[in-house]
Amino acid sequence: GQQVMQIPQYQHVQEGEDFTTYCNSSTTLSNIQWYKQRPGGHPVFLIQLVKSGEVKKQKRLTFQFGEAKKNSSLHITATQTTDVGTYFCAGLAGTASKLTFGTGTRLQVTL
Amino acid sequence: KAGVTQTPRYLIKTRGQQVTLSCSPISGHRSVSWYQQTPGQGLQFLFEYFSETQRNKGNFPGRFSGRQFSNSRSEMNVSTLELGDSALYLCASSDRVSETQYFGPGTRLLVL
Repeated sequence: GQQVMQIPQYQHVQEGEDFTTYCNSSTTLSNIQWYKQRPGGHPVFLIQLVKSGEVKKQKRLTFQFGEAKKNSSLHITATQTTDVGTYFCAGLAGTASKLTFGTGTRLQVTL
Repeated sequence: KAGVTQTPRYLIKTRGQQVTLSCSPISGHRSVSWYQQTPGQGLQFLFEYFSETQRNKGNFPGRFSGRQFSNSRSEMNVSTLELGDSALYLCASSDRVSETQYFGPGTRLLVL
């Protein structure tokens, strides 16, 4: 079945440093979604990417969908303590197929 | 609009018992998905219901079952609980199958 892996599993950065998490799917995706889960909370939708090579920005967050639609990345510029949490990608292989969540990357930011 | 609600929020059961968890989706959403989240396994998809029909199913044993009612509310049942079923069970709703997931706060189940 479809597998979605994320690296790294965990990253600890100093506030102000940049952070990137990578998401890789075993199959071509029709779209990819990103979610953030704060400690003790539930996943919250951040963004959806649909087109090959698409890049979207949300303030300090930059999301990219690979040309082959099998990988994606989330880059955070100048991290803040409010960025702490686990970031999940979730891939959809086709219409009416199930959304498969990645393994998640836990981000810790310290002053 | 009110968000996704789940009841109960916390539950303690013993091995062999069964449990039923409830989820009320965002008003107007017809798709409800269930996920199991554990520290070691991440977010594992259980099943998705749309308009009372199961549309997708994950790789969980038959002890895990669900249903959806005509008002889109959904229940998940786990029979013959095992210690390994201890987890956070998250429900998510969306307006279409496998679209953006709006998660509820979850039910934390502890099996002793």
